[in-house]
Amino acid sequence: EVQLVESGGGLVQPGGSLRLSCAASGFTFRSYWMSWVRQAPGKGLEWVANIKQDGNEKYYVDSVKGRFTISGDTSKNSLYLQMNSLRAEDTAVYYCARAHDSVDYFDSWGQGTLVTVSS
Amino acid sequence: DIVMTQTPLSLPVTPGEPASISCRSSQSLLDSDDGNTYLDWYLQKPGQSPQVLIYSLSYRASGVPERFSGSGSGTDFTLKISRVEAEDVGVYYCMQRLKFPLTFGGGTKVEIK
Repeated sequence: EVQLVESGGGLVQPGGSLRLSCAASGFTFRSYWMSWVRQAPGKGLEWVANIKQDGNEKYYVDSVKGRFTISGDTSKNSLYLQMNSLRAEDTAVYYCARAHDSVDYFDSWGQGTLVTVSS
Repeated sequence: DIVMTQTPLSLPVTPGEPASISCRSSQSLLDSDDGNTYLDWYLQKPGQSPQVLIYSLSYRASGVPERFSGSGSGTDFTLKISRVEAEDVGVYYCMQRLKFPLTFGGGTKVEIK
C-alpha cells in the first residue's frame, strides 16, 4: 500500500525557515515524480513544486522561487521541502503527492502538515 | 500561467439527481504533439486529502465509481455525476498539467440540499 507521511510543520516567525519531510513507502520512490501542493486555511489547492525521479529537474510556482527548495533522498525514500524567508502568505497545509508513473496525475497524497507563519 | 476557472462556486444537490461542474482554462489543454488533453479532476472530501477522480480529460481513476465522468475539449470541460450520492459531498477541483506551473481551479463545493 502506498503511503506518504508528511512531518516538520509548525509555527515559525516571518523570515524564518522550516524543512518539511515526506516519508514514502509501498512503492519504489526513485521511479516517480514527486510534488508539494499547499492549501491555505479555507482556500483552494495550490501546486508548489515538482521534482523528477533523478532529481535533475525541479519546478516551482513563482511565489516560492528562490525561497523554497524541493529535494529527494532515494536512500531514505523521502521527499523534502526546505522553506526559507517564510511569509505570512505561506501559511497552509502542505501535502506531499506522487505523480502516476506514466500519466503524471497525482495518484497518491499524504495527510498534510500545517505550516503557520506568524509573529 | 494557465488560469483555471470553475463554476459554480457552490452546488446544492439532491441525492439521486445528476450534477455538473464546469471548468474553463485560459488556453487550450490539448497537447498537439501527443493528442492528450491534460485536465484532471480531484475531490477533497471534508477533513480529507484530495483524491483523483478523472485524469487526462475523461479517464476514470482506479476505484472511482462509474457515475463520475469527464468531458470537454480545448478550453471547456465538464465533470458530471450521473446520480449524486451522499458520499460525493466535498470540494471538486479541476487541474491542468499541460504546463508548469500546474494550476488548479478555485473549487466547487458540492453539498446535499
